[in-house]
Amino acid sequence: AQRVTQPEKLLSVFKGAPVELKCNYSYSGSPELFWYVQYSRQRLQLLLRHISRESIKGFTADLNKGETSFHLKKPFAQEEDSAMYYCALNGKAAGNKLTFGGGTRVLVKP
Amino acid sequence: DAGVIQSPRHEVTEMGQEVTLRCKPISGHNSLFWYRQTMMRGLELLIYFNNNVPIDDSGMPEDRFSAKMPNASFSTLKIQPSEPRDSAVYFCASRQGRNTEAFFGQGTRLTVV
Repeated sequence: AQRVTQPEKLLSVFKGAPVELKCNYSYSGSPELFWYVQYSRQRLQLLLRHISRESIKGFTADLNKGETSFHLKKPFAQEEDSAMYYCALNGKAAGNKLTFGGGTRVLVKP
Repeated sequence: DAGVIQSPRHEVTEMGQEVTLRCKPISGHNSLFWYRQTMMRGLELLIYFNNNVPIDDSGMPEDRFSAKMPNASFSTLKIQPSEPRDSAVYFCASRQGRNTEAFFGQGTRLTVV
C-alpha cells in the first residue's frame, strides 16, 4: 500500500524566515513524488515534481530514499506563499494511483 | 480549454437524499480521479479511472458511494443516501499519461443537513 504523511497541519512563520514542510512516504517501488499548492480561492495546482529537480517560486524539494522523505523548503518565506500545500505520490505499480497527504497550511506573517 | 469542470459548485441537501456530482475532464486526458477534502483527513482518493475503466475504488467509503465514467468526457460521483458526515469538498482531477501534472476542478462543496 502507498501512503503519504504530512505531520504538520499548520506552519506559521514570519516573512523572510525559512520554511520547511515535511513529507514522508511509504511505497514499495520507486516513488514519483510531487508537491501541489492551493492558494486561497484557487484550484489545486502543481508546484514541483521530484524528477524535474527544479526550483519553483524559490521552493525546492529533495527526495531522500533512505529516509523516505520529500520535504519542501524555501529559505526566505514571502506573504504570498501562504497557502495549503499537499505532498503527492504516484504509484506506478498500483496503476498510477495518485495519493495525497493530509496537507499543511502555511501562514506567513508580515 | 476551460480546464476540468465540476458541477454543481455548491450543493446543500437533506440527509437521505441522493446527490450526484459531475465532472468533465480536460479533453485528451486519459486518467480521472475523484477526491474528498476535509479538515481532518486532507485529500482522500476515492476512486480513479484509466481510459474510462475504474482501476481502484478502495477509497470509496461505503456502498452508498458510486462512480461512473460512461465516456472520456464525463464522470459522476453519486451518494445515495447522503449523510451529514459526507459533507466535504469533492474534487475531480484529470491528467494525460502517468507521471504528469494532474489538473483539478474547482470542487463541489457538499453540505448534508
